[in-house]
Amino acid sequence: KNQVEQSPQSLIILEGKNCTLQCNYTVSPFSNLRWYKQDTGRGPVSLTIMTFSENTKSNGRYTATLDADTKQSSLHITASQLSDSASYICVVSPNTGFQKLVFGTGTRLLVSP
Amino acid sequence: NAGVTQTPKFQVLKTGQSMTLQCAQDMNHEYMSWYRQDPGMGLRLIHYSVGAGITDQGEVPNGYNVSRSTTEDFPLRLLSAAPSQTSVYFCASSYGPDYGYTFGSGTRLTVV
Repeated sequence: KNQVEQSPQSLIILEGKNCTLQCNYTVSPFSNLRWYKQDTGRGPVSLTIMTFSENTKSNGRYTATLDADTKQSSLHITASQLSDSASYICVVSPNTGFQKLVFGTGTRLLVSP
Repeated sequence: NAGVTQTPKFQVLKTGQSMTLQCAQDMNHEYMSWYRQDPGMGLRLIHYSVGAGITDQGEVPNGYNVSRSTTEDFPLRLLSAAPSQTSVYFCASSYGPDYGYTFGSGTRLTVV
């Protein structure tokens, strides 16, 4: 069964610190992997999209990496800000149909002043 | 450019009632989808559409109907609401496989 697992479930860090969120997936074959940010009470917003041939993709202070051999991805947040407090969701798009995205349950990040 | 607009934002229904969740996008996206988000679970696909007049079922379609008469609109109908349909519903649209989805802000539905 196609699955996406994220860790940790939740994380608290001090403002200005860096953090790394993990995503392991069993979706195979897949066409791309996405990271979304979801603020409380809002819809998810796309941060990065990587195809299976890409190793890294950056969007400002957010850097996603992908290791297709181990089926792992990570999202690194640099110099965290209070506005980074949100849930971060890893999403994998299988080759069988991009509409049928497989969503992780997310990591809830709290940046504390 | 409003993006994806969902209405209403909140709704309380009694068991057995029907209603339609509205979704409209102004980006000329062909692909549109409906998801539900429940605590402790990833978003799950209810129905999706690859263009006007074309819809298909997702992972959890039972109890829901959709239609796509225009590119802009993709309403989701609850036929006979049940407490198990209490959830947050998101509509999303996209240009296609190489692009990210743009999500609406969600509809929080409670069925009592």
